[in-house]
Amino acid sequence: GAGVSQSPSNKVTEKGKDVELRCDPISGHTALYWYRQSLGQGLEFLIYFQGNSAPDKSGLPSDRFSAERTGGSVSTLTIQRTQQEDSAVYLCASSLASGQGRQPQHFGDGTRLSIL
Amino acid sequence: GDSVTQMEGPVTLSEEAFLTINCTYTATGYPSLFWYVQYPGEGLQLLLKATKADDKGSNKGFEATYRKETTSFHLEKGSVQVSDSAVYFCALIDSGSARQLTFGSGTQLTVLP
Repeated sequence: GAGVSQSPSNKVTEKGKDVELRCDPISGHTALYWYRQSLGQGLEFLIYFQGNSAPDKSGLPSDRFSAERTGGSVSTLTIQRTQQEDSAVYLCASSLASGQGRQPQHFGDGTRLSIL
Repeated sequence: GDSVTQMEGPVTLSEEAFLTINCTYTATGYPSLFWYVQYPGEGLQLLLKATKADDKGSNKGFEATYRKETTSFHLEKGSVQVSDSAVYFCALIDSGSARQLTFGSGTQLTVLP
């Protein structure tokens, strides 16, 4: 379909392993966001990409988390040396150029990450 | 910083009952306000939005009015259906440089037949 696509939908891994989560935004959307949804913390912002500008990384919880966006389209969120507290649903969203927040963000179905 | 406070759940209603989910916010600038809905097993979907004071957002029978004087954006529906059972999130984007959504904690709604 034409929505935001995330993969994998579920990921189970052992503590200490690295994981990569992928997001394919809606075609033409220049803004891309990563959020985390967990039981204890609710929905938290992680990182924001807008066009070719430097990303806003202010929400990343530690230096184990990083993200990149290649060619202004697909994004990968990487978590190194995973910990059990990283278990959560990771949501990706995209929108047209932000314009003072008047452009709505469209979300993917998320990747459910479980750290054993 | 910015914050959103939502009515604590869960909320259980009978079909055709009136729904109100309260939402108030704190923002340093002049925010845009949103309600998102998450159906079981699915991602977040935008339900409605309002970008300036006194705007009313509406969709699928749901309504919310941007009240600057009370910093509120309460969600209402006159007659709920079983299919409205979901988690509802109030959210804002501030008018400053930040572009990310700040979410409330979510309200679980269950509608019984």
